Amino acid sequence: NAGVMQNPRHLVRRRGQEARLRCSPMKGHSHVYWYRQLPEEGLKFMVYLQKENIIDESGMPKERFSAEFPKEGPSILRIQQVVRGDSAAYFCASSPKGRADYEQYFGPGTRLTVT
Amino acid sequence: GEDVEQSLFLSVREGDSSVINCTYTDSSSTYLYWYKQEPGAGLQLLTYIFSNMDMKQDQRLTVLLNKKDKHLSLRIADTQTGDSAIYFCADAFSGNTPLVFGKGTRLSVIA
Repeated sequence: NAGVMQNPRHLVRRRGQEARLRCSPMKGHSHVYWYRQLPEEGLKFMVYLQKENIIDESGMPKERFSAEFPKEGPSILRIQQVVRGDSAAYFCASSPKGRADYEQYFGPGTRLTVT
Repeated sequence: GEDVEQSLFLSVREGDSSVINCTYTDSSSTYLYWYKQEPGAGLQLLTYIFSNMDMKQDQRLTVLLNKKDKHLSLRIADTQTGDSAIYFCADAFSGNTPLVFGKGTRLSVIA
């Protein structure tokens, strides 16, 4: 059973460009979470999605950031018009539906650098 | 708002026990977790404990929970150099809810 997959692992964008980060949850997992880790900090929750639904986006900046988890394909975190402050590691986690729904497993992360 | 606090650094000698401490503020936390992060890597779920437990043991790892003081600890017995990493404490209100993380404790193991 493959773990949570994220790509790309490293992404470099110039200020003003768009960044698209992808996350494929573990097989059988229907819940996806995105977290951001700034240098020397813990992870901060951004958004929680199920297939075709945003459940909780309370941690997502109001401007420039969006997320989706379509019926088919990976979850996408999209950052428009990136700024230097968006440079961080972005982690995706997934959890199953049902009895073990409290187990969140993390992907390797995408390290975004904005130049 | 909700907060999780950890000391930032811990240094131990190889073979000794390590104890990493964490305090949290949300008394309604139902699940408490320990994750390990090695340099440049994602987070590895090490262990977790339910709030109705006060101890959980898993091989070299022992988790202690003092719910009254909202204090969680992770003890690693016979610490090895491969245990050098950042350890994050996290809590959650219920299943399928976002985790709230501490800033992480950087464990250095001296050979």
